[in-house]
Amino acid sequence: AQSVTQLDSQVPVFEEAPVELRCNYSSSVSVYLFWYVQYPNQGLQLLLKYLSGSTLVKGINGFEAEFNKSQTSFHLRKPSVHISDTAEYFCAVTLGGGKLIFGQGTELSVKP
Amino acid sequence: DTEVTQTPKHLVMGMTNKKSLKCEQHMGHRAMYWYKQKAKKPPELMFVYSYEKLSINESVPSRFSPECPNSSLLNLHLHALQPEDSALYLCASSPPGSEGETQYFGPGTRLLVL
Repeated sequence: AQSVTQLDSQVPVFEEAPVELRCNYSSSVSVYLFWYVQYPNQGLQLLLKYLSGSTLVKGINGFEAEFNKSQTSFHLRKPSVHISDTAEYFCAVTLGGGKLIFGQGTELSVKP
Repeated sequence: DTEVTQTPKHLVMGMTNKKSLKCEQHMGHRAMYWYKQKAKKPPELMFVYSYEKLSINESVPSRFSPECPNSSLLNLHLHALQPEDSALYLCASSPPGSEGETQYFGPGTRLLVL
């Protein structure tokens, strides 16, 4: 069965510092990978996705992620965070067919 | 335009009430989803409609009844809910074809059951 592990439940960081949110998945077959962001009291917004092709994926708001098949990871990075990036971030994976499997989420807290 | 809309934004209901949540998208997406999200947790899949037919029901109690009247609209009918059903209910949709695994979410309906 597929599973997704987000290795950090909370990540505090200062404004303008770089950040990496870690995500590992378990699957023996090809998967599709996603990162979503959820701001307080809002729905989920798609940040970026890996379906195929280049393993370095660029998303919105300056975020990027790298698909590493050998390490079954899909870590999210941003070189310089802003206060407005404070939110919950979810990594998700699917084999197809409509079932997204989410990680438990990482709360990113950006401090001035 | 990747917008999924949901109404109402907030809903308070008693355990004997009947209410409905509505989700709409006009992007030509042919799959639509209902999720339930409790505080500080990831969304949990409830139902999937593909081409207006129910394709996945994740063993959801019968007090939740989905309906897909057409390709743009998805409803969730609520009846005799319990306080533990209080949560954020999220709708999502995904396009046909090669991008079909990408789900776009609405803003959610925050439900409180008293």
